[in-house]
Order: sequence, then C-alpha cells, then structure tokens
Amino acid sequence: GNSVTQMEGPVTLSEEAFLTINCTYTATGYPSLFWYVQYPGEGLQLLLKATKADDKGSNKGFEATYRKETTSFHLEKGSVQVSDSAVYFCALSDLGNQFYFGTGTSLTVIP
Amino acid sequence: DAGVIQSPRHEVTEMGQEVTLRCKPISGHNSLFWYRQTMMRGLELLIYFNNNVPIDDSGMPEDRFSAKMPNASFSTLKIQPSEPRDSAVYFCASSRVKSTEAFFGQGTRLTVV
Repeated sequence: GNSVTQMEGPVTLSEEAFLTINCTYTATGYPSLFWYVQYPGEGLQLLLKATKADDKGSNKGFEATYRKETTSFHLEKGSVQVSDSAVYFCALSDLGNQFYFGTGTSLTVIP
Repeated sequence: DAGVIQSPRHEVTEMGQEVTLRCKPISGHNSLFWYRQTMMRGLELLIYFNNNVPIDDSGMPEDRFSAKMPNASFSTLKIQPSEPRDSAVYFCASSRVKSTEAFFGQGTRLTVV
C-alpha cells in the first residue's frame, strides 16, 4: 500500500542554520509528492510539490527533489528564519486521488 | 476564491450531545476529504468523497461518526453521541479529481467535556 515516513521531531535550529527534514515513501505506480506546512492554529498549506521523478519543487527558499531510486522527497532550506517555525508534513497522492500524510515534523527556529 | 470554509471554528459540547461540523469546498472541486488531527495520532483520514459519493470511509472510527455530501458545495460530519475522546481538530480539504494538490480549511477545534 501507499505510505509516507518522515523524520520524527521536534527539530530545533538556530536562525540561519541549514534545515533537512527526511521523507521516504512507499507507493504503487507514480505518485505525486508534496510538502505541506501548518502554522499554529491554522490548517495545512501547500508548500511545494513534485509530480514526477527528478522534479524539484521549490517555494519560499525551501526545496525538495523527487528521487524515485531512493523513494525519497527530503525537504531542505539553506537558511531558516524564526518565521519558518511550524509543523511540516510530507504527503503523496495516488491515481485514486487519495492523499497519504506523514506524521509531521515540528520545527522551532530560535533567534 | 474564499478557500475551503469550515464552521464552526470552535465547538465545546457535553458528552452525549450531537455535534455537526460543516464544510464548503472550493467551487469546482469534486473531491472532499475529512481529517482528524490529535497529538497522539497525528493526521488521520476519516472519509473522502469523489463527485459527492463516499469512496473510502474506512477511517471513520465507529458508527457514532457519519458524513454526508448532499451536493457539490456542502458536506457535514456528524458525531452522535459525542465522547471526550472525540476531542480533536477536524479538517476538511478539497481538490479536483486527478488534481495534484488538496486545499485545507482552517479546521474545527472540537472539545467534548
């Protein structure tokens, strides 16, 4: 079946540090992959996406590359800010249009 | 576009009472999802609809939970009777069938006392 595994948190970084949040997936076929972000008290917002192998999604300085050979979609940012503090979810969607979410990784960035 | 609209934003109710959560998906979207989020279990898919038809309700925890989508612009999630363990944030999301992203509402925070 389809599933997503992402690195457990919480993650605490100093401002301007490099961020990596690992995500691996199991899927039949060729899923689309996503990173969603949830700020306190809000719903999930799409951060970036990739729809086929080797695609790189990017937004607000965040990047993730769809790696079919390693079934991974790791989230990276070169220099985090306090405003990036949030919970990050890796997700995939299959041809049946069902979405599968990871457990979420809480990020706190300290000044 | 107003996005996915959920109501109420907060609901506090007593154990045993009926609770109805409401969702208006984005116009033109024909897939709708109900999720529950708790600290212990994370984000769980309860049920999803394609073109107003329930496709997978295997995530609905028990018979106390029911969901309907009478038309393309409205869905409800009902809990009857409610229990304290139902306390959670409930999210509704919508997308186009075969689309590549889902859009979430702001959620309803339910507290059952």
